[in-house]
Amino acid sequence: QQPVQSPQAVILREGEDAVINCSSSKALYSVHWYRQKHGEAPIFLMILLKGGEQKGHDKISASFNEKKQQSSLYLTASQLSYSGTYFCGTEGAGNMLTFGGGTRLMVKP
Amino acid sequence: DTGVSQDPRHKITKRGQNVTFRCDPISEHNRLYWYRQTLGQGPEFLTYFQNEAQLEKSRLLSDRFSAERPKGSFSTLEIQRTEQGDSAMYLCASSWGSDEQFFGPGTRLTVL
Repeated sequence: QQPVQSPQAVILREGEDAVINCSSSKALYSVHWYRQKHGEAPIFLMILLKGGEQKGHDKISASFNEKKQQSSLYLTASQLSYSGTYFCGTEGAGNMLTFGGGTRLMVKP
Repeated sequence: DTGVSQDPRHKITKRGQNVTFRCDPISEHNRLYWYRQTLGQGPEFLTYFQNEAQLEKSRLLSDRFSAERPKGSFSTLEIQRTEQGDSAMYLCASSWGSDEQFFGPGTRLTVL
């Protein structure tokens, strides 16, 4: 029941864009996105709720297709600080998050 | 500092010993979560509390694991008779309801 993230890894040049996808096999109430740098705790980026409500950082955008149980995170004009591992966490029944395996993003100068 | 704190940050123990970790959530948050994370994987849900009530526990969680949040504030996670497979980073997070979860720095457990 772990959501599937794609791609598993991506390398960008500074200023390039990227899309990270998250797909679940179960009905979802919400999708949460986090970024984790090596040796640090995950940091909240975005939450997308069933019904269209979103909450997150201004420079991050994401979409949530409730019918397809999919979410995508859009990173535009990437900066070096965007490097890290991105996790989606899906919330179904039970108020608990199930995290995907992560997408490793490296932004190079 | 008003973030989530965890103690200790590192714990090395011998197989068979018991260990206890503490988590202090953000004070106004009513939910507290415990996760386990191994290298290269996402956090794996263990259990969560709403105030002092433990509302959900992972079916994968061994009976050797127990968690408490006696006064609805800090929480402890105890692992009895540790095994080498318990070696991981144990993360605590807190939230207000289903809002975003704020993670602590984690406790890295090494079982020898």
